[in-house]
Amino acid sequence: QVQLVQSGAEVKKPGASVKVSCKASGYTFTDYYIHWLRQVPGQGLEWMGWINPNSGGTNYAQKFQGSVTMTRDTSITTVHMDLSRLRSDDTAIYYCARGPNWGGFDFWGQGTMVTVSS
Amino acid sequence: EIVLTQSPGTLSLSPGERATLSCRASQSVRSTYLTWYQQKPGQAPRLLIYSTTNRATGIPDRFSGSGSGTDFTLTISRLEPEDFAVYYCQQYGSSPPYTFGQGTKLEIK
Repeated sequence: QVQLVQSGAEVKKPGASVKVSCKASGYTFTDYYIHWLRQVPGQGLEWMGWINPNSGGTNYAQKFQGSVTMTRDTSITTVHMDLSRLRSDDTAIYYCARGPNWGGFDFWGQGTMVTVSS
Repeated sequence: EIVLTQSPGTLSLSPGERATLSCRASQSVRSTYLTWYQQKPGQAPRLLIYSTTNRATGIPDRFSGSGSGTDFTLTISRLEPEDFAVYYCQQYGSSPPYTFGQGTKLEIK
């Protein structure tokens, strides 16, 4: 069965960086883009960008250009999301999700809570 | 940017009743690219309906989607206790390519 398993919760200080991982299993890793989204607890969902695990190509939402970097390691079917220059308003749950070709997200990771606090 | 507005913000109904959730877009959305999710507290969103009308694998047939252009609807024909959750619509289109509605909370009356 398709699974996306994310790394654990993080607590960071303002100005620091965080790296969240997402390990995929149960399907051909290179066949689907992986997206990253975030959700401030109790609020809505925000799309951050995608990575093509086949080519390594990326597309980031304008808001996150310059602060987010998405990479993949095909040998361990894992994608990573690096967010730098953290601010308190980056405190959120970060999700990876698989993206089929109909413009949505069919499988989601369990979420990783990132807390930014001095 | 395509803005999705969901209504109502909160819907209070009893098990067994019919729920109708609305998602209105600020510009036309291709039917292929309109998706609905369910989210329960402490969980990731779960795919319900994709391409406006297609139920995801394992989703009961009491869930149905309809609509076109700027107006889309998620209907739950007969509410079960496990259906009380937050529901989001989402579109794929112009920049930013993926946007979500603010959600409708379906609560037990």
